[in-house]
Amino acid sequence: DAGITQSPRHKVTETGTPVTLRCHQTENHRYMYWYRQDPGHGLRLIHYSYGVKDTDKGEVSDGYSVSRSKTEDFLLTLESATSSQTSVYFCAVSPGLAQDTQYFGPGTRLTVL
Amino acid sequence: RKEVEQDPGPFNVPEGATVAFNCTYSNSASQSFFWYRQDCRKEPKLLMSVYSSGNEDGRFTAQLNRASQYISLLIRDSKLSDSATYLCVVNHNFNKFYFGSGTKLNVKP
Repeated sequence: DAGITQSPRHKVTETGTPVTLRCHQTENHRYMYWYRQDPGHGLRLIHYSYGVKDTDKGEVSDGYSVSRSKTEDFLLTLESATSSQTSVYFCAVSPGLAQDTQYFGPGTRLTVL
Repeated sequence: RKEVEQDPGPFNVPEGATVAFNCTYSNSASQSFFWYRQDCRKEPKLLMSVYSSGNEDGRFTAQLNRASQYISLLIRDSKLSDSATYLCVVNHNFNKFYFGSGTKLNVKP
C-alpha cells in the first residue's frame, strides 16, 4: 500500500466549469502521475511530475493543467470541463529508482454534463 | 502504432484451466516490463514484474522475449478469483509508463 488517496472520488459537473482533482501520498515518492482511463483506450498519461514544481506533459495533456507545490500533493485542473473529459482519473506514484513500478490511487470518476 | 498492444479478449476459461496472454511492444529500447491486474471499477495493481530470465510467482509465470518484442503471462490452475483485466505495461522513457488496453479474463465454475 503506497498510501495514495484521491479526492473527490466521484464528481458530476457541467460543461464549462473548472474542476480540480487532488492526489495525496504519504510515502514521499518522487514521481507522481495523472492518467485517464476510457473504454478501448486503456490508461493514458495526462501529466506527470518529477519533483516539487517540476512537471511535464503526457500524451493527452490538452485541456488539463497540473501543480505540485508539495511532495505529497499533485493537483489536476480542468480549466473548463468538456463532455470529452468524462472519464475515470487515476493518480499514480513511483519512487523513481531503476526498475521501479507505479502504485495507483483508487481513482476519481468524473462526469461532465 | 500503439506503444503496447494486447488482445482485448475476453478469454473465457473453466476453473483449473491454464491460460496465456501475450503483449507486444513497439520500442526496442524498452527497459522494464510489468503485468498489472485490474478488477472492475478498481485501480490497477501490480501483479508481477517481468525479468529477462523469466520469473514465476506461484501459479503465475511471466516471460520476456526481447528479440520478438513481446511479453507473456501464463496462469495455471485458474481460480474464479483470477477473473479480471490484465494490463501489460512497458517503460522505455525513464519513468514514463505505457499501458496496453488490457486483456479480460473470465474464469467460469
